Amino acid sequence: AQSVTQLDSQVPVFEEAPVELRCNYSSSVSVYLFWYVQYPNQGLQLLLKYLSGSTLVKGINGFEAEFNKSQTSFHLRKPSVHISDTAEYFCAVWAMYSGGGADGLTFGKGTHLIIQP
Amino acid sequence: ETGVTQSPTHLIKTRGQQVTLRCSSQSGHNTVSWYQQALGQGPQFIFQYYREEENGRGNFPPRFSGLQFPNYSSELNVNALELDDSALYLCASSISGTGGPYEQYFGPGTRLTVT
Repeated sequence: AQSVTQLDSQVPVFEEAPVELRCNYSSSVSVYLFWYVQYPNQGLQLLLKYLSGSTLVKGINGFEAEFNKSQTSFHLRKPSVHISDTAEYFCAVWAMYSGGGADGLTFGKGTHLIIQP
Repeated sequence: ETGVTQSPTHLIKTRGQQVTLRCSSQSGHNTVSWYQQALGQGPQFIFQYYREEENGRGNFPPRFSGLQFPNYSSELNVNALELDDSALYLCASSISGTGGPYEQYFGPGTRLTVT
């Protein structure tokens, strides 16, 4: 089984400041990694994903994340945030099982990013 | 290109009743997954359907069941509703065979309240 830990339930940041949202995972098999954003009263939107290759992945809206296998982390960063970035951010993993079947995405509990003017 | 749509938007049911939630997949997608998101929590995987068959299931009891139709739309049925079933139910569609990890596109969700 796999699990995802988002270390901060809330992160307040001033507008135009940098931000890092932390995500650690545990799994007995290799995983693919994702970050999703959820705006109030909406579904989830994919920000970025790591499947293979370069450990630094860039996503939409200026976000990027770095996969660190030794630390089992996938932290999300943005160099300068805007008021419109206020939302809930979810880290998720998909376990690579051989054969058929699916366990879906395993999500963390989310981090509420609060942008202060 | 039409995205994932879900109906209804909101629903209020009484404990013990049954409910059916509906989802239309994004055009060209053949796989649908359902998730339950309780207030203040991340989504939890309920099950996934591919080629009209369930091919993966999370830790949910059998009173949670589903269907996928030939046009790839889907239903989530919940029998004998309990208060803890109150949540946002998210549908996600993707292009895949068995397994993954293909990008999942989420709908806006159905907010179910059980009283």
